[in-house]
Amino acid sequence: EKVMTQFPATLSVSPGETATLSCRASQSVSDSLAWYQVKPGQAPRLLIYDASTRATGIPARFSGSGSGTEFTLTISSLQSEDFAIYYCQQYRNWPPLTFGGGTKVEIK
Amino acid sequence: EVQLLESGGGLVQPGGSLRLSCAASGFTFRTYAMTWVRQAPGKGLEWVSGISGSAGNTYYADSVRGRFTISRDNSKNTLYLQMDSLRAEDTAVYYCASTRGYMEHWGQGTLVTVSS
Repeated sequence: EKVMTQFPATLSVSPGETATLSCRASQSVSDSLAWYQVKPGQAPRLLIYDASTRATGIPARFSGSGSGTEFTLTISSLQSEDFAIYYCQQYRNWPPLTFGGGTKVEIK
Repeated sequence: EVQLLESGGGLVQPGGSLRLSCAASGFTFRTYAMTWVRQAPGKGLEWVSGISGSAGNTYYADSVRGRFTISRDNSKNTLYLQMDSLRAEDTAVYYCASTRGYMEHWGQGTLVTVSS
């Protein structure tokens, strides 16, 4: 099973600044990596798939990069609605599908 | 517009059973694999089970294998999760999602509470 590790667990950022979130896979997942945004009481939302492709309707301030075992989600010019928990997920050779433990982006 | 609407959650005693449903609309249901993902209170996302578009292949997390059964009725555009021998650790919000490996569209979730 591919274990996904996210860091940091919590990221404190001021509105307008850039947030950089990291995700590491225990073995290569190639570019089979997605990012999701989760807010309390709401359904998760797909942000990025195939490591760097933005999902439909996702603003350009969200960008993904990386391949193999190291991945990054960058959120530029943070807006108030971006404060949430973000999860990475691998889908290389599933099952199982595995998620990271999440990074909480909070207001500094 | 894609819509996924879960139902069937509720309070159940340990050892009991529940059947979750997920009604899909706005896309060609039979062409998509579907999955169930859960989120326990204060915890992260956990993949539970998946099923291919034709229902020919089903997949389970180790934590639920042998207790949960995923199925679908493509004539009704509906996904199901039969949950038996429920445990306290199964308490969570359960989401259905259309799947291409990544979860493209999600429902709003249904809460399952396992408690005596």
